[in-house]
Amino acid sequence: NAGVTQTPKFRILKIGQSMTLQCAQDMNHNYMYWYRQDPGMGLKLIYYSVGAGITDKGEVPNGYNVSRSTTEDFPLRLELAAPSQTSVYFCASSAGGIEQFFGPGTRLTVL
Amino acid sequence: GEDVEQSLFLSVREGDSSVINCTYTDSSSTYLYWYKQEPGAGLQLLTYIFSNMDMKQDQRLTVLLNKKDKHLSLRIADTQTGDSAIYFCAEGDNDYKLSFGAGTTVTVRA
Repeated sequence: NAGVTQTPKFRILKIGQSMTLQCAQDMNHNYMYWYRQDPGMGLKLIYYSVGAGITDKGEVPNGYNVSRSTTEDFPLRLELAAPSQTSVYFCASSAGGIEQFFGPGTRLTVL
Repeated sequence: GEDVEQSLFLSVREGDSSVINCTYTDSSSTYLYWYKQEPGAGLQLLTYIFSNMDMKQDQRLTVLLNKKDKHLSLRIADTQTGDSAIYFCAEGDNDYKLSFGAGTTVTVRA
């Protein structure tokens, strides 16, 4: 099992560009999450999903969109990148139990 | 989101015990967690405790929960160099949505 995979590992965007951060899991987990981690701060929940076709906002959803068309994939879309979105993005999945399994992260810089 | 606070840095000598402290604000939290993050990696669940427990021990790890004071601590016995990492305290609700603290960077010195 690969667990939770994220692509790309690193990306630099110009202000106003858009991109999609990919996240996939092969554990057949229903729950998936997107977090961002700013320097010196804890992770903040952006969006989450409790199953295919169902998504909901977390604590900091502005500037992001998600979709969940399959159990395996949970892409995060940035439409108009802003410097405030410079962060490390983590995707996680869970069977709906206690433990969330995290991907290795995507480091995004917006200049 | 709910506030979770923890001290930012801890330096400990190899072989000594480490104690990392955390306070949280949401009295309805169902679970409280400790996650470990090694450089360049994602977070890994270290241990957790149900909110109706006051202590949990797992090998070198001891978690203490004071629900009245909303205080959580993690003790690592016989700290090793491999324990150098960032440790995150988190609280979770019934939907398992997590609120994290800023993380405590633990440095183990020889």
